[in-house]
Amino acid sequence: RKEVEQDPGPFNVPEGATVAFNCTYSNSASQSFFWYRQDCRKEPKLLMSVYSSGNEDGRFTAQLNRASQYISLLIRDSKLSDSATYLCVVNMVGTYKYIFGTGTRLKVLA
Amino acid sequence: DTEVTQTPKHLVMGMTNKKSLKCEQHMGHRAMYWYKQKAKKPPELMFVYSYEKLSINESVPSRFSPECPNSSLLNLHLHALQPEDSALYLCASSRAGRNTGELFFGEGSRLTVL
Repeated sequence: RKEVEQDPGPFNVPEGATVAFNCTYSNSASQSFFWYRQDCRKEPKLLMSVYSSGNEDGRFTAQLNRASQYISLLIRDSKLSDSATYLCVVNMVGTYKYIFGTGTRLKVLA
Repeated sequence: DTEVTQTPKHLVMGMTNKKSLKCEQHMGHRAMYWYKQKAKKPPELMFVYSYEKLSINESVPSRFSPECPNSSLLNLHLHALQPEDSALYLCASSRAGRNTGELFFGEGSRLTVL
């Protein structure tokens, strides 16, 4: 089983739709969680850190479920510019190992 | 507008060449990373330096040689590479210690080995 798993997609959704991605992780010692966005042939950029209580940034909401060992990302009112690959990243406290999921491709259609 | 700067952005080299990739950050981070990314795959960790000392080497072939001259700079020396080494090489930085926070990536150096 991979340490961090994501559905690779692609998710094709119309503009204005709400879309949700899940990511599961296998190591219960994992402590820090992030969602990164990566555009084609560009570097990953931090979208959101994920906090235990959940957090929201505009149209984006991230949730953490430690009991079930998954994190989620909800995108509301999708825009064409949201088309990208979304990478789930997990880090264990006290280590420099950031484990990347395979990424989920999102395509928002006009 | 990234705070981690990588040069060159593109590099084409033959299998007998020696070249170097460079990375610089001025965020005061004491952990710096090299990742390799192939198309449609996530980044793969190669090396980590913390406090200018090599902390992690993910069993990378010796034709890749990292160097951390000071807390702001990270180099990756390349020698006798193979065509399968063609990839996007990403430098990243973070805080060091127990709570490292998020990774900040440079724009990457796209390497083609002929």
